[in-house]
Parts: sequence; C-alpha cells; structure tokens
Amino acid sequence: DVKVTQSSRYLVKRTGEKVFLECVQDMDHENMFWYRQDPGLGLRLIYFSYDVKMKEKGDIPEGYSVSREKKERFSLILESASTNQTSMYLCASITSSNNNEQFFGPGTRLTVL
Amino acid sequence: QKEVEQDPGPLSVPEGAIVSLNCTYSNSAFQYFMWYRQYSRKGPELLMYTYSSGNKEDGRFTAQVDKSSKYISLFIRDSQPSDSATYLCAMSEDNYGQNFVFGPGTRLSVLP
Repeated sequence: DVKVTQSSRYLVKRTGEKVFLECVQDMDHENMFWYRQDPGLGLRLIYFSYDVKMKEKGDIPEGYSVSREKKERFSLILESASTNQTSMYLCASITSSNNNEQFFGPGTRLTVL
Repeated sequence: QKEVEQDPGPLSVPEGAIVSLNCTYSNSAFQYFMWYRQYSRKGPELLMYTYSSGNKEDGRFTAQVDKSSKYISLFIRDSQPSDSATYLCAMSEDNYGQNFVFGPGTRLSVLP
C-alpha cells in the first residue's frame, strides 16, 4: 500500500516562528510537491522537487523554502511564519514514468497566531 | 477569471441519486483531465483520469470531457453516503505534475 506521510496533522505556531513541515514517501518517487489548500482557491503549488537536492518554485513560493536531502523526504520551511500562512498544507509525490496520479499525504493544518 | 472554475457547493442529494459535478476552464491547451476525491481530514486521491475529449467509465463513475465547450463533468450513479466528500477537478497541458491546475472543489453530501 503506497504511502505519503506528513509529520503533523495539526500545528499551531506564533507569528515569526520558524516552521518545519516534513513529508516522507515510501514509493521511491522522483517527484515531490508541496501545496497549500485554501477554501475557494483550490490547491496551489508552493514548490516541487524532481530529484534529491533539486527544487523548483511553484506558483506561490514567497515566504517558503524547501529541502530535499533524501529521495523519500521533502521538507517545507516557513522561515518566519505569518498569519496569512494559516492553511492546510498537502504534500504529494509522483513517479516520472506515470505522471497522471499524484499521491497525497493526509495534510497538515497549520494555524499561525 | 480563474483558470479553472468549480461550484463549491455544498451539494446535498438523497442516496441513490445521480450526481453531476462540473468544471469549466479557460485554457484550451489543457489535454489531461482528472477528478480527485478528498474525504474530510484526508488528502485527495485520484478517482478518474481522462486524456483529451470523450467519456470514461469506471463502475458508478463516468468522466466526460468536452474540449469544444471547455467543460468537464463527473457523474456518479446510485450515489452512496460513502461518496460524501469534496471532489476536485484538475487539468494540465502536458501531464507533468507541477503543471496540474486544480479547481477549488465541490463538497458533496449524500444523505441516507
């Protein structure tokens, strides 16, 4: 059974804190993604990675950074959390040979106070 | 105008009803069309995938793509309470995951 796991289901942080969200996949997928999901806006791509140590900006990278030191792990970093980063964060992965199905993690609901 | 539009609902139907969920889009270059289902407090999971125009059927689910009208639909026959979820459409020009454009989702409730 394929699996994408995220380190936390719920997280509450204060404005200005540094926040780490971790994602691990066990499918040996090359490509990994970080999205945020907000009501009425759908999923918006923050960053993606197509290989270890490789990263590309998505549609809304401002205020975020990422790290991919190992193939199975993709981390999203909020350098200085702000209230407008309160959202649901979803990690996904996909294999290069079958691009039509992204496998999603359960999501992390982040609240920044 | 948003690239992909979807009625957010909520849509409530009685068990056994036929459900029609729809998305419209503006980019005529989209060729790959997907429907994802997202249960509460879970990540989305792929339900249907269609390339270009036409219909695709999988059990109680039928996906339709009308590229001339820039309109896609998901039909659910004999709807069940277990179908209650948010349904997201997604589409792409080139089938690379980073280029998927997602609709905001329609929340469906199937009442027993």
